[in-house]
Amino acid sequence: QVQLVQSGADVQKPGASVRVSCKASGYTFTGHYIHWVRQAPGQRLEWIGRIYPNSGSANFAQKFQGRVTMTRDTSINTAYLILNGLNSDDTAVYFCARERHLVGFDYWGQGTLVTVSS
Amino acid sequence: QSVLTQPPSASETPGQRVTISCSGSSSNIRSNYVYWYQQVPGMAPKLLIYENSQRHSGVPDRFSGSKSGTSASLAISGLRSEDEADYYCSAWDNRLNAWVFGEGTKLTVL
Repeated sequence: QVQLVQSGADVQKPGASVRVSCKASGYTFTGHYIHWVRQAPGQRLEWIGRIYPNSGSANFAQKFQGRVTMTRDTSINTAYLILNGLNSDDTAVYFCARERHLVGFDYWGQGTLVTVSS
Repeated sequence: QSVLTQPPSASETPGQRVTISCSGSSSNIRSNYVYWYQQVPGMAPKLLIYENSQRHSGVPDRFSGSKSGTSASLAISGLRSEDEADYYCSAWDNRLNAWVFGEGTKLTVL
């Protein structure tokens, strides 16, 4: 069965960077986009960007360009989100999600709480 | 401000029908498919509806989606207590080159 398992909660200081991992299983990792979506406390879902694991090609929402990186390691079926220059507004639960073409985000990770606090 | 607009809340009694609206623009809903997700607080979202009106695998036929112009809606009939959740619409936005989500609608089953 398809599963996306994310890394655990993290606490970072303002200005620091955070890396969140998303390990996929139960399907061909290189065949589907992985998206990253975040949700600040009590707020709506917000799309950060996507990576195509086969090529490593990534696209980001304009809001995050310049301080976000998405990478993957196909040997261990894992995608990574790296967000730099953290501030308090980045405190949120970060989700990874698999995209099935035209079907949408059909499987989601359990979420990773990132807290930015001095 | 959110690109997709939803009512913040909706409520109805068990067994009744409720509709949740999602208003967008020509760059998102009019031009692209609409998706609906259900999220129980503290959990990851779950896909309900894709391509405007197609139910994802395992989703009961009590859930239905529709789209007209720059608006979409999700209808839930035969309401059950387990339908209490937040519901989000989503679409690709051609102008922003990004996936956009509505603000979410909190459904309460009275």
